[in-house]
Amino acid sequence: AQTVTQSQPEMSVQEAETVTLSCTYDTSESDYYLFWYKQPPSRQMILVIRQEAYKQQNATENRFSVNFQKAAKSFSLKISDSQLGDAAMYFCAYRSSYSGAGSYQLTFGKGTKLSVIP
Amino acid sequence: SAVISQKPSRDICQRGTSLTIQCQVDSQVTMMFWYRQQPGQSLTLIATANQGSEATYESGFVIDKFPISRPNLTFSTLTVSNMSPEDSSIYLCSVPRTGPFSFGYTFGSGTRLTVV
Repeated sequence: AQTVTQSQPEMSVQEAETVTLSCTYDTSESDYYLFWYKQPPSRQMILVIRQEAYKQQNATENRFSVNFQKAAKSFSLKISDSQLGDAAMYFCAYRSSYSGAGSYQLTFGKGTKLSVIP
Repeated sequence: SAVISQKPSRDICQRGTSLTIQCQVDSQVTMMFWYRQQPGQSLTLIATANQGSEATYESGFVIDKFPISRPNLTFSTLTVSNMSPEDSSIYLCSVPRTGPFSFGYTFGSGTRLTVV
């Protein structure tokens, strides 16, 4: 079974600065998808960015980028020019790319609470 | 991508009673997922609901406690039965995305359940 580990329960960043959230995972599969979700106090789970394991290029979405190290099974999220609205819980998640039973579910890490200091 | 309307957004219930949570999707989807998020914790998959078949439950979750209905491709309900304070959680439904960020998932806004 796959596991996802987020070793930083809480992080803080000064507004306009850059912060990196860590995520490692364990899998025996060679093809899979990785995601970062944001959950603000409103409880809504918002998909921030995703990475396909077969792609070597790191995904980027505006101020959000990832550092995907497949061999090290590491998938960190970098937030540049942090804004007050970035304050939230951030969850790293894994999904198998195979189509067998149970492969569609997401496995989540425990989350990192990000605070943004004005 | 799909838009999910989840109701109720929150409720406070007496122990021993049941609560039914509804998710309405604005497009047809084959699979729908139900998650539980206990206070301060991550999301745990309860079950996968496919239209026209019985829901598939994850280890630790049983149909008698969390019955699920999936009458059509746009709607599903999750019932939390015979509630106890340990059932106090956020419950979320989710469907696969299409288009950009496909292979990801869209979530409902969640139901915050408090059992007293």
